[in-house]
Amino acid sequence: KQEVTQIPAALSVPEGENLVLNCSFTDSAIYNLQWFRQDPGKGLTSLLLIQSSQREQTSGRLNASLDKSSGRSTLYIAASQPGDSATYLCAVRADTGRRALTFGSGTRLQVQP
Amino acid sequence: EPEVTQTPSHQVTQMGQEVILHCVPISNHLYFYWYRQILGQKVEFLVSFYNNEISEKSEIFDDQFSVERPDGSNFTLKIRSTKLEDSAMYFCASEGGFYEQYFGPGTRLTVT
Repeated sequence: KQEVTQIPAALSVPEGENLVLNCSFTDSAIYNLQWFRQDPGKGLTSLLLIQSSQREQTSGRLNASLDKSSGRSTLYIAASQPGDSATYLCAVRADTGRRALTFGSGTRLQVQP
Repeated sequence: EPEVTQTPSHQVTQMGQEVILHCVPISNHLYFYWYRQILGQKVEFLVSFYNNEISEKSEIFDDQFSVERPDGSNFTLKIRSTKLEDSAMYFCASEGGFYEQYFGPGTRLTVT
């Protein structure tokens, strides 16, 4: 059974700092990995989708990398801003034909002004 | 930009009552999902729906749950007899075939 772990569980940084969020998964047989942002009491906003054949994806100040064989992904946030404060979730889809996403528990990020 | 919408945003019900949660997926998307997130826990998959039938479901999705696409735009989740442990945020998601799932804002279900 796939297990997704995110470290750290919480992170507080001063504004302007570059930071890295980590996601690991136990079964490397994935089809893709998706990073989401969740604001308190709100829905999930898709940030980046990486297919298993890709090594990284970029969107603005966000860069996500994937090392499928080692079961790891990182989300890099450059020049963090207070508006980046949220919980960041990663989720994986198996390559078995199933479409369900398996989620990690998230990293709660606080960017101090 | 197209988005998934869900109603109501908050539903309070008594144990044993039936509830129906409503979702309008993104137009022209083909795959539809329900997930839930119990407070403080991970987001969990419940069910996926494609071509007017359930394509996949989790162990959570037992006989108390059902889904329906009553028309070309709505997608509903019904819980027949709610339990206290059904209290959670329920998220609807849709996917257009390019493997990226888009989530709605959620319905917070409180069972008393």
